[in-house]
Amino acid sequence: AQSVSQHNHHVILSEAASLELGCNYSYGGTVNLFWYVQYPGQHLQLLLKYFSGDPLVKGIKGFEAEFIKSKFSFNLRKPSVQWSDTAEYFCAVTGRETGGFKTIFGAGTRLFVKA
Amino acid sequence: NAGVTQTPKFRILKIGQSMTLQCTQDMNHNYMYWYRQDPGMGLKLIYYSVGAGITDKGEVPNGYNVSRSTTEDFPLRLELAAPSQTSVYFCASEGSNQPQHFGDGTRLSIL
Repeated sequence: AQSVSQHNHHVILSEAASLELGCNYSYGGTVNLFWYVQYPGQHLQLLLKYFSGDPLVKGIKGFEAEFIKSKFSFNLRKPSVQWSDTAEYFCAVTGRETGGFKTIFGAGTRLFVKA
Repeated sequence: NAGVTQTPKFRILKIGQSMTLQCTQDMNHNYMYWYRQDPGMGLKLIYYSVGAGITDKGEVPNGYNVSRSTTEDFPLRLELAAPSQTSVYFCASEGSNQPQHFGDGTRLSIL
């Protein structure tokens, strides 16, 4: 069955600490991969995406993610977090289904950055 | 270009009432989605559509209905509101090889 797994539901870090959020997926065939961020009280916004090419993808606000096909992983990283990175982060996978595309979201990881 | 527009932003319903959550997009996207997000939980797919006239159930479709008569509009209907449907509802649209664009959400409380 298709699924997206985010390993950590809650992460607490101090400012300037490094961040890595895990995302693994189970999906046959070609996929597009995304990380979205949801700041408190707001809707989801795209952080970065991978369609093809260089597996190391750079996104907005200093975030990056690496697609490792052999591990079915797309982990999100940031070398030094800031208090303003406090948010919920969602990994998502889109694959082609019969009749169109289908996107599956992970359960989300809540990040709290202590000032 | 307004993107994805959801109305209303907030609504309180009584148990058993019905209502329609509106969603419209102006990006000519074929794919549209309705999600609900409960406190502390991720997104759960209610229904999705791959084009006008085509809809399909997602993970949690019970208690909801959708229609897609045009490319732009994808309304979500609650026929008999129940307390378990208290949630924040997000509509999203997606073009081919594009990320999803989300609306601002509708916060629905059922009392």
